[in-house]
Amino acid sequence: KQEVTQIPAALSVPEGENLVLNCSFTDSAIYNLQWFRQDPGKGLTSLLLIQSSQREQTSGRLNASLDKSSGRSTLYIAASQPGDSATYLCAVRNSGNTPLVFGKGTRLSVIA
Amino acid sequence: DAGVIQSPRHEVTEMGQEVTLRCKPISGHDYLFWYRQTMMRGLELLIYFNNNVPIDDSGMPEDRFSAKMPNASFSTLKIQPSEPRDSAVYFCASSPNSGGFYEQYFGPGTRLTVT
Repeated sequence: KQEVTQIPAALSVPEGENLVLNCSFTDSAIYNLQWFRQDPGKGLTSLLLIQSSQREQTSGRLNASLDKSSGRSTLYIAASQPGDSATYLCAVRNSGNTPLVFGKGTRLSVIA
Repeated sequence: DAGVIQSPRHEVTEMGQEVTLRCKPISGHDYLFWYRQTMMRGLELLIYFNNNVPIDDSGMPEDRFSAKMPNASFSTLKIQPSEPRDSAVYFCASSPNSGGFYEQYFGPGTRLTVT
């Protein structure tokens, strides 16, 4: 059974810092991996999706990497801003159009 | 497109009452997923549909939960009777069956409180 772990559970950084969020999964035979952002009391916003054949995806200040063989992904946020404060969720898809398996998220606070 | 639409956004009910949550997926999406989010367990799949047909309902907690998708633009999740432990945020998501990415788009969720 696929399990997804995110470390740390919470992170607080000063504005301007670069930071890395970690995600690990137990079954490396994934189809793709998705990073989401969730603001308090809100739904999930998709940030980046990485196919199993890819090593990284970039969108603005965000860069997600995937090391499928070791069962790990990282989300790199450059020059963090207070508006980046949210919970970041990692989720993997095992095959085709199947449900996502989620980690419990990392709650990020960026202090001005 | 308006995105995935869920209603109601908030629901407060008493134990034993019937609760119905509603979802309208993005037009053209063939897959619809219902997830539940709690502090303890995070986000978990309840059930998902492909072309209105339930594919996997192994995540549905017990017989008190049921889900239907009578057409491509509407799905319901019903809890009868509701219990305090059902209190959670329920999300609906949809995804297309083309392009090979199968990216899921989430609705804003329904926050259910059962007292």
